[in-house]
Amino acid sequence: KQEVTQIPAALSVPEGENLVLNCSFTDSAIYNLQWFRQDPGKGLTSLLLIQSSQREQTSGRLNASLDKSSGRSTLYIAASQPGDSATYLCASPKGNDYKLSFGAGTTVTVRA
Amino acid sequence: EAGVTQFPSHSVIEKGQTVTLRCDPISGHDNLYWYRRVMGKEIKFLLHFVKESKQDESGMPNNRFLAERTGGTYSTLKVQPAELEDSGVYFCASSQVGVYGYTFGSGTRLTVV
Repeated sequence: KQEVTQIPAALSVPEGENLVLNCSFTDSAIYNLQWFRQDPGKGLTSLLLIQSSQREQTSGRLNASLDKSSGRSTLYIAASQPGDSATYLCASPKGNDYKLSFGAGTTVTVRA
Repeated sequence: EAGVTQFPSHSVIEKGQTVTLRCDPISGHDNLYWYRRVMGKEIKFLLHFVKESKQDESGMPNNRFLAERTGGTYSTLKVQPAELEDSGVYFCASSQVGVYGYTFGSGTRLTVV
């Protein structure tokens, strides 16, 4: 069973500061790891998907790294903006299973 | 392309009643998943369809929950009878066969009172 943990549970930063969100997982034999964003009352929006063979993925101001040996992934958001305020979740399947195990999420508030 | 559509977006029912949630996946996506998040907990897997067949229903909490996928298109999740602990947000997701990137719907918030 894949267990995913996210720390911290909540984060508040001033606009312009870089964000660092952490995700750890117990089973290093992962197939991939996915980062999602959830706005209040909305669904999950996929941000980045990192395959097990990759070390990182980048999309605009977002960069996600993957270190299987230590069981960690980090999501970096550069030059944060108030519009980045949301809950960020990481999820990974166990092996090549389709079932995703989710972390509890990190709720980010970017203060203008 | 249209995304994953779920309805209703909200449902408030009394304990003991029946509720049916619906999910319309992205056209052409054979994989369809149901997940839910109950208060204070992580999002948990419920079940996985490949076309009209249940591939994995190991996450279904008990036999009060029944999922169907008619003709491999839309899916319904029925809760009968609903209990207070069933309250939460129910998410549906879909993906193409062999693809691990999921597209999630906006969820149905179920409140059982």
